[in-house]
Amino acid sequence: QSVLTQPPSVSAARGQKVTISCSGSSSNIGKEYVSWFQQLPGTVPKLLIYDSDKRPSGIPDRFSGSKSGTSATLGITGLQTGDEADYYCGVWDNSLTAVVFGGGTKLTVL
Amino acid sequence: EVQLVESGGHLVQPGGSLRLSCVVSGFTFSDYYIDWVRQAPGKGLEWVGRTRNKRRRYTTDYGASVKGRFTLSRHDSEKSVYLQMNSLKTEDTAVYYCVREYQSGGRYYHDAYEMWGRGTMVTVSS
Repeated sequence: QSVLTQPPSVSAARGQKVTISCSGSSSNIGKEYVSWFQQLPGTVPKLLIYDSDKRPSGIPDRFSGSKSGTSATLGITGLQTGDEADYYCGVWDNSLTAVVFGGGTKLTVL
Repeated sequence: EVQLVESGGHLVQPGGSLRLSCVVSGFTFSDYYIDWVRQAPGKGLEWVGRTRNKRRRYTTDYGASVKGRFTLSRHDSEKSVYLQMNSLKTEDTAVYYCVREYQSGGRYYHDAYEMWGRGTMVTVSS
């Protein structure tokens, strides 16, 4: 059971928008910045969002991040079949003195 | 080019030991935190541990499931991080990734893993 809670799966039609939630607590998301990772099938995870809402260079602006209180959200617009992947949120937990990840969300593009 | 290359993964019996290595290149090793993240077959990401940079005196932290069994060390001259794994359990079976934090504008984002190695597979089984 993960410290951060993500929906196991989400789906949306090609071209549409989807959001993936990540729920935590005051000891992690409530105090620290959140990162989001994309793992395409058979590949190494890739950093999509850092500092809760910033994109590394090379990441399209179709991907966005936000944080409010003890929850964070990843948004993806203009969905493409190539976006089908597992998505993970991660953050430092001050109580556990450890990085914690969400259980992952599998995105299906219909 | 930034690279992190893991090695040392193997089949080992429960209760056994293994040492993983991560050799890096393409960046100033002593400036960065280096973490290990693992992924069991078909499962999600799990944080294993962290070795901080020279300024933070190379201090370490570990995930709850490995604390007391795993030990991290780093050697700047070799640009290497080592993960010593003792008292291995079947649930330690996973791909182990060596990862590096993201840096932008002189600020370091410790949990934003921009660089990943290709991973090394550890199988604990009798």
